[in-house]
Amino acid sequence: DGGITQSPKYLFRKEGQNVTLSCEQNLNHDAMYWYRQDPGQGLRLIYYSQIVNDFQKGDIAEGYSVSREKKESFPLTVTSAQKNPTAFYLCASSEGQGAYEQYFGPGTRLTVT
Amino acid sequence: GESVGLHLPTLSVQEGDNSIINCAYSNSASDYFIWYKQESGKGPQFIIDIRSNMDKRQGQRVTVLLNKTVKHLSLQIAATQPGDSAVYFCAENWDNYQLIWGAGTKLIIKP
Repeated sequence: DGGITQSPKYLFRKEGQNVTLSCEQNLNHDAMYWYRQDPGQGLRLIYYSQIVNDFQKGDIAEGYSVSREKKESFPLTVTSAQKNPTAFYLCASSEGQGAYEQYFGPGTRLTVT
Repeated sequence: GESVGLHLPTLSVQEGDNSIINCAYSNSASDYFIWYKQESGKGPQFIIDIRSNMDKRQGQRVTVLLNKTVKHLSLQIAATQPGDSAVYFCAENWDNYQLIWGAGTKLIIKP
């Protein structure tokens, strides 16, 4: 089956620790995205990547970092600099950037205490 | 700045009735629109999309209408079922930039 996987589904961390969220896709998509979703809110773009070894900041990149060393993988690190990291994180991919359907993973719910 | 907005945060519909979810957009240059459904605790799922050269597009039990004159987008769900309960997001795109997401409308189905 083709799709996007995110792991783990639930993640708990202590304040001050960095944490890395995994995102893998086997759809052969060029573009990948990370979104943050807070309760009852919409999606906010953190980072996106149009191609391997290239990525761009989204609207709320502060306190986050990414890498895109392989086409299939786009991990997100939530650093200790992110002031309010508790949220639902969604990874997506699309054939290209812009006017294309984005395919979403199941999400990772991160709780930092 | 430009944004996509929704008229109603919550919509309650009787099971079996038709649902209409509305979305306003402010950028007349937007040329691609897309609707997603998000169930609680899950990632959004694609429902239907439409390009600006069309006024209407139909899928299975869903229809998207685009009124460029008043910059309005709607999603119609026919014969609403309990499984349609979710939050519905519209998003727009222009100039091949990123999708710009609306805040979402929660659809509640009354038995």
